[in-house]
Amino acid sequence: QSALTQPPSASGSPGQSVTISCTGTSSDVGGYNYVSWYQQHPGKAPKLMIYEVTKRPSGVPDRFSGSKSGNTASLTVSGLQAEDEADYYCNSFAGTSVVFGGGTKLTVL
Amino acid sequence: EVEMLESGGGLVQPGGSLRLSCAASGFTFTNYAMTWVRQAPGKGLEWVSSISGSVGSTHYADSVKGRFTISRDNSKITLYVQMNSLRAEDTALYYCARGRYGTYDIWGQGTMVTVSS
Repeated sequence: QSALTQPPSASGSPGQSVTISCTGTSSDVGGYNYVSWYQQHPGKAPKLMIYEVTKRPSGVPDRFSGSKSGNTASLTVSGLQAEDEADYYCNSFAGTSVVFGGGTKLTVL
Repeated sequence: EVEMLESGGGLVQPGGSLRLSCAASGFTFTNYAMTWVRQAPGKGLEWVSSISGSVGSTHYADSVKGRFTISRDNSKITLYVQMNSLRAEDTALYYCARGRYGTYDIWGQGTMVTVSS
């Protein structure tokens, strides 16, 4: 149950696109199409942004998209807005457990 | 409105026990797996345990296996976690969340557990 690897920080200017990676192994990210992404603002509960690699829950802007290649999943935020500044976490199903990434702090410059 | 409300957190000494509860409302509780996720102060999210909807099969993180027990009372629409042999490293905000396979679409606001002498 080793944590997935995310960059600690990412940044972009308003209107730009930014991509956050999430690297695991063939036992988690690479083995299942159950990768989710969460947005967490300070003092708030996490919010589901992407599930099953590419799906967006109702109400999540289509500026948020997910993808996967091999053992690495990615979250892309297009048309950055100030309210996108938050911590982002990926997770993956791993058979009998779930593993989270360490989180990425996204800064909107 | 779909909602979940955790309770039962507090200060406990190392080696002590605590039971957290999560009261759900606004959805058919038995149709959903439920999960506990924790977040240590200033740290990231950590999956703790999950339980299926009706059959009640359970899974645990290695860090809590043998010490924590997840359960649910579908008649009371409530999720629980019994935490025994608590350690300092169990100090965290504990969230209950609806869902399985890592897809958690509804989260509570969390209840804080502090393990300290």
